[in-house]
Amino acid sequence: GESVGLHLPTLSVQEGDNSIINCAYSNSASDYFIWYKQESGKGPQFIIDIRSNMDKRQGQRVTVLLNKTVKHLSLQIAATQPGDSAVYFCAETTGFQKLVFGTGTRLLVSP
Amino acid sequence: DGGITQSPKYLFRKEGQNVTLSCEQNLNHDAMYWYRQDPGQGLRLIYYSQIVNDFQKGDIAEGYSVSREKKESFPLTVTSAQKNPTAFYLCASRIPGNYGYTFGSGTRLTVV
Repeated sequence: GESVGLHLPTLSVQEGDNSIINCAYSNSASDYFIWYKQESGKGPQFIIDIRSNMDKRQGQRVTVLLNKTVKHLSLQIAATQPGDSAVYFCAETTGFQKLVFGTGTRLLVSP
Repeated sequence: DGGITQSPKYLFRKEGQNVTLSCEQNLNHDAMYWYRQDPGQGLRLIYYSQIVNDFQKGDIAEGYSVSREKKESFPLTVTSAQKNPTAFYLCASRIPGNYGYTFGSGTRLTVV
């Protein structure tokens, strides 16, 4: 398949493990954060979001944690599956300004 | 089904040629965006449009041009002035009052 990120940081896990993907954001004024999943050769897909007045939000098998003190965002994926293999991007914005994307992390899940 | 359609999926350009990438949405979204994606990098904003007949430069607009004559359409032209156009191009749209973007499936442009 196509590769959209040959030199991305890579996280390799075994099927069934929990995965944690980290992101450091730059703008202390950012008030909204999103995690996107991008499979090879496709556009990014929305996973989960969180506002700056929260420090944790849970979805189905995914949890986002926000630490505003150190400007850090993490995405936790429970019971990782081979279908979770993709590149994951965090994005930040202030108000309704344009999103600013991080460089991404490649998640590789081994059976 | 509503969504964003980008075409073509693959595009080859000879040096010195202009090419136009298509982005069409039937989501009734006002704001539309063009991003470029290179290996090892995140998404970089080329141009965006908040409303019909209006658009603004993003972070890497040099060598690109856009138009927004219709709400549904936001085509991107890669001109011969863009010296390194080989990349994956993504179009996105957003509902006013909503933070998140919906992305198309991308166009991979290669200079031959």
